[in-house]
Amino acid sequence: DIQMTQSPSTLSASVGDRVTITCRASQSISSWLAWYQQKPGKAPKLLIYKASSLESGVPSRFSGSGSGTEFTLTISSLQPDDFATYYCQQYNSYSLTFGGGTKVEIK
Amino acid sequence: QVQLVQSGAEVKKPGASVKVSCKASGYTFTSYYMHWVRQAPGQGLEWMGIINPSGGSTSYAQKFQGRVTMTRDTSTSTVYMELSSLRSEDTAVYYCARGYYELAVWGQGTLVTVSS
Repeated sequence: DIQMTQSPSTLSASVGDRVTITCRASQSISSWLAWYQQKPGKAPKLLIYKASSLESGVPSRFSGSGSGTEFTLTISSLQPDDFATYYCQQYNSYSLTFGGGTKVEIK
Repeated sequence: QVQLVQSGAEVKKPGASVKVSCKASGYTFTSYYMHWVRQAPGQGLEWMGIINPSGGSTSYAQKFQGRVTMTRDTSTSTVYMELSSLRSEDTAVYYCARGYYELAVWGQGTLVTVSS
């Protein structure tokens, strides 16, 4: 199975900060990577698919990049609504794997 | 609008089985795969498996092979996830989610509590 490693596990930041979260795959997954945002008590929300495509309705301050084994999610200017936990997810051969999550906290 | 509505919370004893439903609306049910993902309290997301509502074919995560069964009823646009031989570690919120490579639409989640 492909393992997904996210870093950091926790991130403290202020409103307006540029924030970057990294996700590494244990083997190449081409661009089959998605990013989700989850708030307490809620289902995850898709932000980015195919590594860099922005889901409809998601603010443009969110962006994704990478291919192969290394990927990043960037929030260009952190807003109050962005404090949440973020997960990466890979797709490979009819199987999905999620990263362990990154909690973005208020500094 | 596209919506996935899941069945209500369940409390089960160890060794029992649970069957969670996920009713789809607002789109053609057989046109999109459905996944099941669970999340234990305070933990991350864990993929359980996928079902093709069109033909009913399934693929399960190795961890759940032999314990999970995913089925669908095209007449009611509903998918089901049944997990057997429940243990305390199966206490989690179970989500259905529509998609193939990425999961764009999610149900509201169903809390399953396993406790003696």
